[in-house]
Amino acid sequence: GENVEQHPSTLSVQEGDSAVIKCTYSDSASNYFPWYKQELGKRPQLIIDIRSNVGEKKDQRIAVTLNKTAKHFSLHITETQPEDSAVYFCAATSGGYQKVTFGTGTKLQVIP
Amino acid sequence: NAGVTQTPKFHILKIGQSMTLQCTQDMNHNYMYWYRQDPGMGLKLIYYSVGAGITDKGEVPNGYNVSRSTTEDFPLRLELAAPSQTSVYFCASSPDRAYGYTFGSGTRLTVV
Repeated sequence: GENVEQHPSTLSVQEGDSAVIKCTYSDSASNYFPWYKQELGKRPQLIIDIRSNVGEKKDQRIAVTLNKTAKHFSLHITETQPEDSAVYFCAATSGGYQKVTFGTGTKLQVIP
Repeated sequence: NAGVTQTPKFHILKIGQSMTLQCTQDMNHNYMYWYRQDPGMGLKLIYYSVGAGITDKGEVPNGYNVSRSTTEDFPLRLELAAPSQTSVYFCASSPDRAYGYTFGSGTRLTVV
């Protein structure tokens, strides 16, 4: 089955700096890669996603890149703000039925 | 449009008791899922459904059961509750395979 590894597990950055979270996946058939943000005590929320036919996608301060050859994808947050502090999960989707495998999460702390 | 609604939000259950966690969505999504999230951990798939009348096991199905009689509802049944089932349970839905999830607000369950 699919295996998704996510690094780092914790990340502290100064407000205004950039943050990068990286994920690798094992199943070359995976074709959809969402990212979720989970604030403390809240539900996970989809913040951005990318499909296997696209190499990069941006939405304001966040972007995701995908390297299918190397089987890794990354989340980039620029000009970080305190409200970006949360746990971020990557995921990979493959198979006939939607089988989503989540990464283990990255706790991002933005220091004011 | 309420999205995904879960009830109850909190519950304390005694060992050996049974209960049903309710989940309903009003987005006409075919795919629905149940995840559990232990403190400081990631999301583990319990059961999922790709449409009314169709359910399948995820990675941690033992001790749980589901049914999907309608598109809107996907209840999770806990039989003979054990302390190991203490967790936060999230229901989620998506319109089709390879689409992002909409999560409910979660049910925080404690088994004592």
